[in-house]
Amino acid sequence: AQSVSQHNHHVILSEAASLELGCNYSYGGTVNLFWYVQYPGQHLQLLLKYFSGDPLVKGIKGFEAEFIKSKFSFNLRKPSVQWSDTAEYFCAVKVNRDDKIIFGKGTRLHILP
Amino acid sequence: SQTIHQWPATLVQPVGSPLSLECTVEGTSNPNLYWYRQAAGRGLQLLFYSVGIGQISSEVPQNLSASRPQDRQFILSSKKLLLSDSGFYLCAWRRVMNTEAFFGQGTRLTVV
Repeated sequence: AQSVSQHNHHVILSEAASLELGCNYSYGGTVNLFWYVQYPGQHLQLLLKYFSGDPLVKGIKGFEAEFIKSKFSFNLRKPSVQWSDTAEYFCAVKVNRDDKIIFGKGTRLHILP
Repeated sequence: SQTIHQWPATLVQPVGSPLSLECTVEGTSNPNLYWYRQAAGRGLQLLFYSVGIGQISSEVPQNLSASRPQDRQFILSSKKLLLSDSGFYLCAWRRVMNTEAFFGQGTRLTVV
């Protein structure tokens, strides 16, 4: 069965620091990949998605992620974080042969002002 | 535009009581529907998903069941709640041809 692994459970950074959150998945076939964000008190919303094509995808609020098929990875990056980026971030995968969307355990990001 | 409604927002139920959480989607037809449970440090656990009326796939055998009596209605149920059923339950929908999922606001269930 497919699974998603997020390496960092809790990350603390200062404003303007660079961010990279790791995500690896286990499935050898074609996948769709997602990063979702949950701000405090708000519902889950999509940050960015990869379906096909350019492996470097750009999302909202300056986030980007790179799909590296050989490493089964889809890491999330942002060159300079802001206090408002404090949230929980979830990586998710959907395999093309299936209708399930599987999520990782999430990473809590805390930005110090 | 499409919207997803999930209710109630919060619920406190005694152990052994039944449960019914409802989720409805507006503005689309034949969506894929999902129930997830979110627990601190455990991410989103997929409980059930449905690709059509009456079609339910169960991911985790437990004290819960799901039903889809209408195209845009998805119900999560239990006959007798356990303390371990406490958590935050999220409903989501997805168009078949567009593979991202859209989430409802969630239901915070506390079993006492």
